[in-house]
Amino acid sequence: NAGVMQNPRHLVRRRGQEARLRCSPMKGHSHVYWYRQLPEEGLKFMVYLQKENIIDESGMPKERFSAEFPKEGPSILRIQQVVRGDSAAYFCASSPGTGQGEQFFGPGTRLTVL
Amino acid sequence: QKEVEQDPGPLSVPEGAIVSLNCTYSNSAFQYFMWYRQYSRKGPELLMYTYSSGNKEDGRFTAQVDKSSKYISLFIRDSQPSDSATYLCATSNSNSGYALNFGKGTSLLVTP
Repeated sequence: NAGVMQNPRHLVRRRGQEARLRCSPMKGHSHVYWYRQLPEEGLKFMVYLQKENIIDESGMPKERFSAEFPKEGPSILRIQQVVRGDSAAYFCASSPGTGQGEQFFGPGTRLTVL
Repeated sequence: QKEVEQDPGPLSVPEGAIVSLNCTYSNSAFQYFMWYRQYSRKGPELLMYTYSSGNKEDGRFTAQVDKSSKYISLFIRDSQPSDSATYLCATSNSNSGYALNFGKGTSLLVTP
């Protein structure tokens, strides 16, 4: 399966805990994007990364959220000290090295904060 | 004003009908236009990807972009119950690093 992989698919955290979401892009893709989908809301861009670089984090909340895409391994979206408002579906997308708009999405991680 | 506007529906059509889905956008700098299909509790699936104005056809799907009126359309011919899903339009441009701007999605139900 050469698609975008995300894990875990479902994640339950209590308020104040940390959430780590992982994304492995499609084979041959070096650009990763994270989006968040809140209930009754559209998909919202959070951050755009290439290997070892954050290119655009204009959609990331200023506090508690961080992302990385190391040279080896998956991209990680980290949410510290989660609150109930962080409950959402988080989707990762990847695109080929050209960086053009064609993005392919993973199945998402559904985060529930109790 | 939101950058991409889309009627949420729901839109209900009988099997075999032609479906027309539409979006408007506000930023004339957008260059790339996409339609995604999202089934309940699944990730978005790329259906159509177009650059600039014009038409693009792929099987039962046709995408149209009119940059002069900032209007995007997706037509589905011979609709099937399996087409029942939420359809998301999205736009991007090179100046924004290709981050996608999504509409909220239109919910489509094709009844047998």
